[in-house]
Amino acid sequence: DTEVTQTPKHLVMGMTNKKSLKCEQHMGHRAMYWYKQKAKKPPELMFVYSYEKLSINESVPSRFSPECPNSSLLNLHLHALQPEDSALYLCASSQPVVRNTGELFFGEGSRLTVL
Amino acid sequence: AQSVTQLGSHVSVSEGALVLLRCNYSSSVPPYLFWYVQYPNQGLQLLLKYTSAATLVKGINGFEAEFKKSETSFHLTKPSAHMSDAAEYFCAVTSRTGNQFYFGTGTSLTVIP
Repeated sequence: DTEVTQTPKHLVMGMTNKKSLKCEQHMGHRAMYWYKQKAKKPPELMFVYSYEKLSINESVPSRFSPECPNSSLLNLHLHALQPEDSALYLCASSQPVVRNTGELFFGEGSRLTVL
Repeated sequence: AQSVTQLGSHVSVSEGALVLLRCNYSSSVPPYLFWYVQYPNQGLQLLLKYTSAATLVKGINGFEAEFKKSETSFHLTKPSAHMSDAAEYFCAVTSRTGNQFYFGTGTSLTVIP
């Protein structure tokens, strides 16, 4: 069983909808990540939170808005998405590399379809 | 910057045959290296990792990988393929000083009965 939990597993939304993806981990990790993955492609980094502060934003469009309410939770707010935003959205967590090897622990993902 | 190259976007093997998935990294300093597996409609699962403790690393499901500094390689092997090994495999690297992960482009493994 994965220790990173993502909800919902599937989401279908229209281009005018507002929705959120949620991620939770209870491993005490202090870095959390959002990745976007298209079929048969590697995950693409979107955002990194380190100690609840946004540390990396990979030039993601503003229609994606991350939020880290506390060290265990990570949200991704979605608004006015485009059909090309349809993808698998993966949440991951890790300890900072300086404290160990920094391996990523992934959730099962949220499959997003934008109509 | 770190990077990894996976040779062969698609590999097919017969059930029971050797599995060899190739990964080369670029770094002047030995990084941390990882192999992840992804089954359809699932997240990525860590197979094994190299952190400099030993050059031959054993992972889950019978997989292992050998770190070869002279060849800047970290190839993944399994002596005998099972049908359940059919999946997408990603090699990844991270530096010892940052939180940035760099993934290879992935290798899709097909196991033929």
